[in-house]
Amino acid sequence: DGGITQSPKYLFRKEGQNVTLSCEQNLNHDAMYWYRQDPGQGLRLIYYSQIVNDFQKGDIAEGYSVSREKKESFPLTVTSAQKNPTAFYLCASSMFAGYGTDTQYFGPGTRLTVL
Amino acid sequence: GENVEQHPSTLSVQEGDSAVIKCTYSDSASNYFPWYKQELGKRPQLIIDIRSNVGEKKDQRIAVTLNKTAKHFSLHITETQPEDSAVYFCAASIKGNFGNEKLTFGTGTRLTIIP
Repeated sequence: DGGITQSPKYLFRKEGQNVTLSCEQNLNHDAMYWYRQDPGQGLRLIYYSQIVNDFQKGDIAEGYSVSREKKESFPLTVTSAQKNPTAFYLCASSMFAGYGTDTQYFGPGTRLTVL
Repeated sequence: GENVEQHPSTLSVQEGDSAVIKCTYSDSASNYFPWYKQELGKRPQLIIDIRSNVGEKKDQRIAVTLNKTAKHFSLHITETQPEDSAVYFCAASIKGNFGNEKLTFGTGTRLTIIP
């Protein structure tokens, strides 16, 4: 999982601002995922992408947007519509995007705080 | 949708004793069950996983058992050591859109090993 990087490590946002979190992988993985982690709630899926130029909503997609223009990159934008964005954001990737779940490897995370 | 319940939420054991964490899932079609370990402020790391065609898998001091009929699976750590202290998450695969699969995570168990 050293091949997945996220930046920045810490991010501060003012009310009403959009911010973009970066996720890059050099593992040649097909699938990429964004999770949000809050204390006591485990990991919740925001968006996922199985292939370039395609992505699907997860369980808590409202207030977030993504793009997948390149296989190695899957940036997440936290918009002003997300009312409670303070959380730890984790990106993950897996090798095989089709039938049969493959192991997911996580990036180091970005901690977002709203001021 | 899929629901994964994890118990207990906190667990303290004496060093050298065994620890057991249990998860139940609701979707009988789930076929992949990974366990992740997360140290404070770090990324989740896969420690063991099991697929639905086997009932048990072991890797040194760590084992996972799966009961498909009852829809539950458990993590067993023997001869616990201080470095086992962390939060452990279970997950189960579910069918997403277009036939692909994604993971639903439990809420985590904070394991503390008492020296």
